[in-house]
Amino acid sequence: DQQVKQNSPSLSVQEGRISILNCDYTNSMFDYFLWYKKYPAEGPTFLISISSIKDKNEDGRFTVFLNKSAKHLSLHIVPSQPGDSAVYFCAASVGTSYGKLTFGQGTILTVHP
Amino acid sequence: DVKVTQSSRYLVKRTGEKVFLECVQDMDHENMFWYRQDPGLGLRLIYFSYDVKMKEKGDIPEGYSVSREKKERFSLILESASTNQTSMYLCAIEAGGAKNIQYFGAGTRLSVL
Repeated sequence: DQQVKQNSPSLSVQEGRISILNCDYTNSMFDYFLWYKKYPAEGPTFLISISSIKDKNEDGRFTVFLNKSAKHLSLHIVPSQPGDSAVYFCAASVGTSYGKLTFGQGTILTVHP
Repeated sequence: DVKVTQSSRYLVKRTGEKVFLECVQDMDHENMFWYRQDPGLGLRLIYFSYDVKMKEKGDIPEGYSVSREKKERFSLILESASTNQTSMYLCAIEAGGAKNIQYFGAGTRLSVL
């Protein structure tokens, strides 16, 4: 039972445009959400997070939006750069739970020059 | 900087072999995790540990065991490797003070023939 879903396996965007990556969840107990980026042959690296008490968090070119009623979050990258090409994973947790995270399947983002 | 080191980048083993995957951290963090990453399935939690000699099953513990005799080292053991355990294995730690943010090693690509 996939509690965190990324329904788009891949996304292709032109350099300078906006990239929007989507994530849906089913467990209403999730109260903390994170996005990770992964390059080939490297481990995932933390990108940005959001608590359920907020609906938006921004860090430079990256913004995460949370819609609790729809159980949906999205990551916006503006402007997109070729170096952003990677696999993006969303993850969710319930409270601290010893840091236990549930990950989505990942979306491969390709940014064309 | 948080450093998580996985002893091998690539491993090739035969069906039925006992396999040890090692993970070492350079700080005094309690929480350590083992995931496997498969295409279309994302990262799935195998086991985690929140202290020496403590372990908890994740979502897919079958066929695996773990060992944590020292705080800095968390080992994943495949008692009798099978071909369906061919995967990318990722170790992570949760750094204190940053809620649920996990830092990952570079991963071990295991092939079971």
